[in-house]
Amino acid sequence: EPEVTQTPSHQVTQMGQEVILRCVPISNHLYFYWYRQILGQKVEFLVSFYNNEISEKSEIFDDQFSVERPDGSNFTLKIRSTKLEDSAMYFCASREDRGDYQPQHFGDGTRLSIL
Amino acid sequence: GDSVTQMEGPVTLSEEAFLTINCTYTATGYPSLFWYVQYPGEGLQLLLKATKADDKGSNKGFEATYRKETTSFHLEKGSVQVSDSAVYFCALSTGNAGNMLTFGGGTRLMVKP
Repeated sequence: EPEVTQTPSHQVTQMGQEVILRCVPISNHLYFYWYRQILGQKVEFLVSFYNNEISEKSEIFDDQFSVERPDGSNFTLKIRSTKLEDSAMYFCASREDRGDYQPQHFGDGTRLSIL
Repeated sequence: GDSVTQMEGPVTLSEEAFLTINCTYTATGYPSLFWYVQYPGEGLQLLLKATKADDKGSNKGFEATYRKETTSFHLEKGSVQVSDSAVYFCALSTGNAGNMLTFGGGTRLMVKP
C-alpha cells in the first residue's frame, strides 16, 4: 500500500537555526498537510496546500513557517529561526482529490528537538 | 470553532474485555468523523470513518456510530487484544477549503494479557 514518507525521523537543531522537514506524499494525492504534536498535547493543524498554494493555515503558522513543493514529489516545511517551543513531532499528510470525505494519510512523523 | 473532546486515559483493560472510548464534538455544519490510531513509534493510521449521521464505521473489530443528536462518535470493540495497545485519536473534518482535521487529545489504551 502506498505510504507517506517523512525524513528525517529525528532532527536535532540549535535554537535560532533553520530547519527543513521533508515529506513525500502518496503519488496521486493532491492535498497536502502539516500537523504538529507537542509532547503530551493534541495534534494541531498547521497548514494545508493544494494546487501549489496554501489553502488554509492556522494561527500557529506564522511568518516563521513556510511550505514548498519544490518538485513533483516532495513537500517541505521550513521553520526559520527555531525556538525551544518548536520542539514537537511534525506529521505530514496527503489526501486524494475525490471529494470532501477522502481521509488523510499520515507519515510516521519527524521528531524535532530544539536545543 | 470546531473541537473534539475524548475521554482521558490511560485506559487499562484485560485481554478480551469490552472497550469504549468516548468522543464528542462541536462543529459548524456537518462534519465527517474519524478515528485514527497511533501504535508506538509509528504515525497516525486511519482506523475508521463516518461521513453522515447514523453511519457506522467499522474496521478490525472496532466500530463507531455517528450520532448527530448527541454529537458523539464513541469507539467500541467487543474483545480487545494486546496488539490493540496504542493511542486512539478522534477527529473531525468539516469539508472547508482545506479539509483540515481537528483532533481530540488522544486516549492511550493498554491491554494486559
